[in-house]
Formats: sequence, C-alpha cells, structure tokens
Amino acid sequence: QTVVTQEPSFSVSPGGTVTLTCGLSSGSVSTTYYPSWYQQTPGQAPRTLIYSTNTRSSGVPDRFSGSILGNKAALTIRGAQTDDESDYYCVLYMGAGIVVFGGGTRLTVL
Amino acid sequence: QVQLQESGPGLVKPSETLSLTCAVSGYSISSGYYWGWIRQPPGKGLAWIGNIYHTGDTYYNPSLKSRVTISVDTSKNQFSLKLSSVTAADTAMYYCASTQGSYWPFDYWGQGTLVTVSS
Repeated sequence: QTVVTQEPSFSVSPGGTVTLTCGLSSGSVSTTYYPSWYQQTPGQAPRTLIYSTNTRSSGVPDRFSGSILGNKAALTIRGAQTDDESDYYCVLYMGAGIVVFGGGTRLTVL
Repeated sequence: QVQLQESGPGLVKPSETLSLTCAVSGYSISSGYYWGWIRQPPGKGLAWIGNIYHTGDTYYNPSLKSRVTISVDTSKNQFSLKLSSVTAADTAMYYCASTQGSYWPFDYWGQGTLVTVSS
C-alpha cells in the first residue's frame, strides 16, 4: 500500500520561513493527486489550509502557500508565528475515491 | 453553516462492532456532498476511514474495507459508521466530516468522539 510521507518534526524561528513536504513511498506527487494540507492544534479538529495543491481555504492568511517542489507537494509558511505551532497533515487523492493522510509534521516555532 | 455532531458508545469490547452516528444540521444530506469518517489514535496521526455520497455510493480505506460499513439515513439527515471485530488498535478519536468530492478537502468537521476498545 502506498505510504504518504511527511517530516515527523520541523522547527522554525518566529518570523522565519519553513517548507513542509509531502511525498510518496513510491513515485512522485503531482497536481493530479490534488494535495491538500490541514492544520491541527491539540484537542481540536483539523482545519483546511490548502487544497488542490495551492488554493487557500477561506480565511487562511496568504503567508500559507502550497506548491509542488520536485517530486513532492509542499506547504510553505512565511513569517512564522507562535500560533502556527501545530501538527500539519497532507492528504493525497489516490483515485477511485480513495484518499490517504500523511503521517503529519509537528511544527515547533521557537 | 453546516454542523456535524458525532454520537455513540465511548467504550466497545474487543471483537464487537463499533457504531457511531453523525448528525448533520444546516444542510440536507440528500442535496449532495460526500460524508466521511476519519480517525486518530491517541498521540498518532489522522487516518481516513471512508466516504459516502448521498446516493449511497461508498468508498473505503482498503486496509479497513473488510470491517467497515458506512451508511446514510436521509430521513434523519445523518450518516453512520460501523466497524466490526474491533481490537485495541481501533481505539481512537473518530471524526465525521463533509467534502464536496473525493479530491476536495474535508471542509466541515465534527468535534470528534473518543472510542476506547477494552474489556
């Protein structure tokens, strides 16, 4: 079964820029996987940040952006704030109605 | 504004069937949208369980497909999850959510309900 890979953890300084990635155990991620990104804080349901590779969900600040970098989907956060300290999950569409969540990246802002 | 609310037993015995319901308000299930279930074991990541369309078409995580049934009750504006032969590995927070389609994001989520599998 295809595994969606993410960095387990990442750290960024306040005001800095960080890029989280989302790959496949076999193959390359492209726009045809419709990558989406979710942010989850402890005790809360996830919130959609980005969908269809690079479309920001309503109310999401423009310092969050999505793209394809090489063979992976990427979430870039510019001007990181302490409020951005969360878990970030990517989701890929595998076709035939099947979606797969990545393992998540825990982002620390310090 | 679409709102979803999960309900069901918080404790299920091993080998039994886990049953949860998601009540939808602010939107008629029969109008469209896909309705899904996602779970998160304590301290671990999110995992998609499956989706159902209002017509009853279902899509399941292949790793759970043999044990999962998702159904919709348009008369009650709710949809349900059944997971059979549960083990401790099925202990998780279970979320219901909605999406415009399989490659669209889950845009509305319930608050989640914790289900523990234990004797």
